[in-house]
Amino acid sequence: KNEVEQSPQNLTAQEGEFITINCSYSVGISALHWLQQHPGGGIVSLFMLSSGKKKHGRLIATINIQEKHSSLHITASHPRDSAVYICAVRVSGGGADGLTFGKGTHLIIQP
Amino acid sequence: NAGVTQTPKFRILKIGQSMTLQCTQDMNHNYMYWYRQDPGMGLKLIYYSVGAGITDKGEVPNGYNVSRSTTEDFPLRLELAAPSQTSVYFCASSYSAGGAYEQYFGPGTRLTVT
Repeated sequence: KNEVEQSPQNLTAQEGEFITINCSYSVGISALHWLQQHPGGGIVSLFMLSSGKKKHGRLIATINIQEKHSSLHITASHPRDSAVYICAVRVSGGGADGLTFGKGTHLIIQP
Repeated sequence: NAGVTQTPKFRILKIGQSMTLQCTQDMNHNYMYWYRQDPGMGLKLIYYSVGAGITDKGEVPNGYNVSRSTTEDFPLRLELAAPSQTSVYFCASSYSAGGAYEQYFGPGTRLTVT
């Protein structure tokens, strides 16, 4: 069983819709990351959080440590938001070996 | 700052050939990582380094080697390429312990072994 599960795997929505992508994990963590991978392949970091909520522009990330769950929301979605969104966690007590990744959610926003 | 750069962008290898994937970062980060990304799978850690001269295995190290002679460079060596090594390879770096700080990714190298 993968330690990091994302849902949905694929999501197609219309421009302007409110988007939610979910991430659940089964281990204790010290930090959770949301990453964006564009069709060209490049990966960029969107958020790193260990509690509460963070907002950047139209993107909002929340985390509930007790429930081992995080959500990424996109408000007023736009075709340029089409990408793969990846959740990754740093396991508590983990060493320098970094992150455990989910398989990603493939988001398509249609005009 | 160029961030994290990788070369080449694409490469086709024949079975049994060898090659080196180059990775350079100009952010003076101590921590560097090599990941592979297979279709429908999450990124998997191949090797990582916590500083010049120090490297360690990740989750999927078989068939690969690394070195870290400088802070900036972290090349990944494939010896005796196999079809199972067909993948997209990403190099990343971070200021400190992986996951506790933002990771910066290179653009990736798409490798096909036939």
